This record gives sequence, structure tokens and C-alpha cells, in this order.
Amino acid sequence: GAVVSQHPSRVICKSGTSVKIECRSLDFQATTMFWYRQFPKQSLMLMATSNEGSKATYEQGVEKDKFLINHASLTLSTLTVTSAHPEDSSFYICSAVPGGNEQYFGPGTRLTVT
Amino acid sequence: QKEVEQDPGPLSVPEGAIVSLNCTYSNSAFQYFMWYRQYSRKGPELLMYTYSSGNKEDGRFTAQVDKSSKYISLFIRDSQPSDSATYLCAITPGGTSYGKLTFGQGTILTVHP
Repeated sequence: GAVVSQHPSRVICKSGTSVKIECRSLDFQATTMFWYRQFPKQSLMLMATSNEGSKATYEQGVEKDKFLINHASLTLSTLTVTSAHPEDSSFYICSAVPGGNEQYFGPGTRLTVT
Repeated sequence: QKEVEQDPGPLSVPEGAIVSLNCTYSNSAFQYFMWYRQYSRKGPELLMYTYSSGNKEDGRFTAQVDKSSKYISLFIRDSQPSDSATYLCAITPGGTSYGKLTFGQGTILTVHP
């Protein structure tokens, strides 16, 4: 149980374009999902908290107009990187909380902006 | 000072060894403690979750928390090559901030046959 999926697993896009990443909880409902970013050989950094039915909450230093988050249902959250630039290239990981404090992560999406 | 400090290693041990991974944290508000395992280019996998001082055992893994010292550990007994991965400690205050995890830097572990 507690499976989280992400799509796509890998994406390459040109600078200036937008990319959408999906995060789904497959066997549970999650009113809250989280989006993290991980640079090579670094730990995960929380970007934002995605709440079903309301606006996302962004961490300090994360541009909300650049990283658009939509929590469309209790099993789906999307992250759209708008006007992507090479410095946005990173490993984006989502997580979901089925209840309590345990958190389950998706397999990640590797974004490369050329 | 970082909220969570973790020795990045790398740590290399022979198969069958006991591995000790450690983190320290600075804020006593953190009440929930987790250990994740992350294989290369994959998302983290939850290994252990605890919220009280003391030991919690699950198979070959033991999580230890000492809130008075703000110190958490993960012990792996009879380590296997398949345990080779990056291990991340993560903490959260819980309550209204539950789920907002702060991660350590991760320790790269290699278990060689």
C-alpha cells in the first residue's frame, strides 16, 4: 500500500517552454501533497505544500508564479514549471500523506532544460 | 546552523557489518523522526518512523531517538549489498506543520561483498 506515482519519469524541454509533472496517490486519498526539489548529491528541499481544494503554500524563496501547483483531486497534484530555464533542471519529487505523519514519496521526475 | 546535520559519508563497509547512521537536530520542537532510503535516481522510501525517545526495531533495522541530546540514529545489522543506497534522516514538528519534513544531507552507504 501507500504507492505514489509520478509522470513523466524524465523530461527534456527547451528553454522558455513549460512542463507539467503529475503526482498521483494510487491506493489512498491525500488531502495534502508535497513537492520537493533535489539537486545532484544534495538533499531534498521542500518547495511547496499542495492542498486539495485550496491554494498551494510555497516555501520561502520559491516563486509561486514559476512553479504552478494544482491539486485537482484527492489523488492528483500537478506541478507546472513555467518558462523553464537551465537552472530549473533538477529532480522533482512529490510526496503524499495518507494520514498521521508518515509521508510516501513518488519515484521522481528528472527535468532537463536545454 | 542547519536544522538537521547528517554526516554525508561516504561510508563503505563489508557485507555482514553493523552500520550506524546518525543525525543531530537543533530545534526541540521537532517531534517526529523518520529514516528514508534512496536509491540512485529514485524517490525516497520510508524505512522507519518514530516519535518517542528510545529504540524501535524492524527486522535488521533499529531506529534510536534521544530527544534530550537531539540525536537520532539508524542501525543496520547484517548489512547486505542491497542496502547500498543513500540514507536520509527527516524530522518534522508534527501538529499543524506535520508533513513539512526537514531532511539531513544524506549518507551514502556502500556494502561490498
